Amino acid sequence: GEDVEQSLFLSVREGDSSVINCTYTDSSSTYLYWYKQEPGAGLQLLTYIFSNMDMKQDQRLTVLLNKKDKHLSLRIADTQTGDSAIYFCAEILGNQFYFGTGTSLTVIP
Amino acid sequence: DAGVIQSPRHEVTEMGQEVTLRCKPISGHDYLFWYRQTMMRGLELLIYFNNNVPIDDSGMPEDRFSAKMPNASFSTLKIQPSEPRDSAVYFCASSSGQGTYGYTFGSGTRLTVV
Repeated sequence: GEDVEQSLFLSVREGDSSVINCTYTDSSSTYLYWYKQEPGAGLQLLTYIFSNMDMKQDQRLTVLLNKKDKHLSLRIADTQTGDSAIYFCAEILGNQFYFGTGTSLTVIP
Repeated sequence: DAGVIQSPRHEVTEMGQEVTLRCKPISGHDYLFWYRQTMMRGLELLIYFNNNVPIDDSGMPEDRFSAKMPNASFSTLKIQPSEPRDSAVYFCASSSGQGTYGYTFGSGTRLTVV
């Protein structure tokens, strides 16, 4: 499979912004995705971005895409304790997803 | 829609026993995927189906693993015989078309083999 890399852990204080980073390997990916996994649950699609876009904003979420560097980031504004979860980035090649290792976000009250 | 439904939610079994995991995809979705999640290896794609036909089973770890999709609304993943290293969370996901707008995941089955 493809290598999609993320840092494993991130801790932020409630109310601060969180930035979760991801690097992917295949520039032919047409869409890139962010999923959220809460404890004991499956993965939930948060948002996705088309590869010809640089930025996408959806309420507290901002996705930034740097195609040149194959770098994707997810910014969560005003992070809340309910945002504590594991966040996965993913790229799609053909009809297969390749997921990153996941970043565990801990929000400190 | 009730989403992707997996059963059981938890399964504890003894080494050597047969284990069957079940999945009901979202009605109308024509792709179904089985993933395994462990701390060591993250999310691994085991097998996926399109219109009930297995397309790629290269991720199935061994012959002990088999998957079927007898109809559009049901799939099984079977492990026979089970081993402790099979302990993991197994997820089923489905999508419409090639998944451009993302997959929908079930809540997973946590399998423990003792």
